[in-house]
Formats: sequence, C-alpha cells, structure tokens
Amino acid sequence: DTEVTQTPKHLVMGMTNKKSLKCEQHMGHRAMYWYKQKAKKPPELMFVYSYEKLSINESVPSRFSPECPNSSLLNLHLHALQPEDSALYLCASSQDLGSWGELFFGEGSRLTVL
Amino acid sequence: AQTVTQSQPEMSVQEAETVTLSCTYDTSESDYYLFWYKQPPSRQMILVIRQEAYKQQNATENRFSVNFQKAAKSFSLKISDSQLGDAAMYFCAYRSGLLSGNTPLVFGKGTRLSVIA
Repeated sequence: DTEVTQTPKHLVMGMTNKKSLKCEQHMGHRAMYWYKQKAKKPPELMFVYSYEKLSINESVPSRFSPECPNSSLLNLHLHALQPEDSALYLCASSQDLGSWGELFFGEGSRLTVL
Repeated sequence: AQTVTQSQPEMSVQEAETVTLSCTYDTSESDYYLFWYKQPPSRQMILVIRQEAYKQQNATENRFSVNFQKAAKSFSLKISDSQLGDAAMYFCAYRSGLLSGNTPLVFGKGTRLSVIA
C-alpha cells in the first residue's frame, strides 16, 4: 500500500466556520507534511511532523492548526480562514525526515473560503 | 538557503519526440538529493526520478533520464518517446542530505509540459 489518502477532496467553508482536513497513510512512514499549493505554483511547506512531533512550522498563521494523533494520521484544523487561504492542500509522507526517501503525496483537498 | 530554478514555465513536445526540461539549483552543501516530480491535471504529485549527489552516474527510469552536472549545479530531465500521458506540471526539487535538514524539500516553480498528438 503506497497511498496517502486525503479527505475531503473538496471543501467550501465560510470565514467563521471550523473544519478539518484529514490525511492517512499506512506505509509506516514517520514523517508527514502539509503543503499549500496555489494554482500554477509549487507547493509551499506549512508543517512537518516527525515521529508524531511537530518538527517544522513555516510561520503559518494560527488559524491553521495541525495535529498528529498517531503515526498514520495527520489533521489540519481550520478556523476563521480568509478567502486568500483558498488553495489545494497537499498531505505527504516519507520514511523519515532525515533520509533521502521520496515524498508520497495525496491527491489533495481543494479548499474554497467564501 | 537552497534555491531551485526552472527557467521554462511552459514547454511542448510532439508525441513520440524527445524533450528536455531544465533545472538549476544553488547550494553550499555537498550531500543532497535531487528529484523530478510530476503533477498531472488529476493533481496527485508522483516521483518521476531521483538522483543522489554523490553518484556520478545519471539516473534513468525507462523513458526518463537526467543529465546531472554537479559542478554546474544543473539537473535536467529528458523524456524520450513522449506520450500523451506525460502532459503535466513537472517540478524539480532539492533535498538536503543533512539529517537535521531544515527544509525537507525545496521546489522549483515548475514547467508545464504539453504533448501534442
């Protein structure tokens, strides 16, 4: 099983809503990532979890709150978002943070903030 | 900080022909890894090919090969016998070889490849 599964695939929310994006992998990977991708742009790193601990936070606004309940799951909690936060949110995983292994990406969650 | 530059925002190739996508990078490290990722319109990004900096031999994966020039800090991707399914955004990416690397993957801005039937 080499899949990273993200739900939901599409999400529309108002600026006062609270929602969550979910990511799951069963490859035994110990590093998991959240990326934000705007149209026709490369992914931008948001957060990295290594062995279920937050390792990197790329100065992301607090309206985005990551959570890693266990080694297979990664959540991104959303609250009070702005229209400019509309983007494709990609989850990825890798063997671990320090190895040279590839990142495996999910299909992404397309977020629209109204 | 490391940077990755893809100077070709868009490229096109005739089906069955060969195309080369350019990538240059800047780093002061000696140990690192380079990748080409493909993102088709269906969005899921997948690895095409990877290269360890310490290896002099260019990586190949079926129709995909790289020209790795370490001194010039160049890492181009050659796609032979192009197929319609190769149409996608291609991202060149750099990853530090340091165990404590602060940035897991640095992406270039991407090259959108169109394949003409």
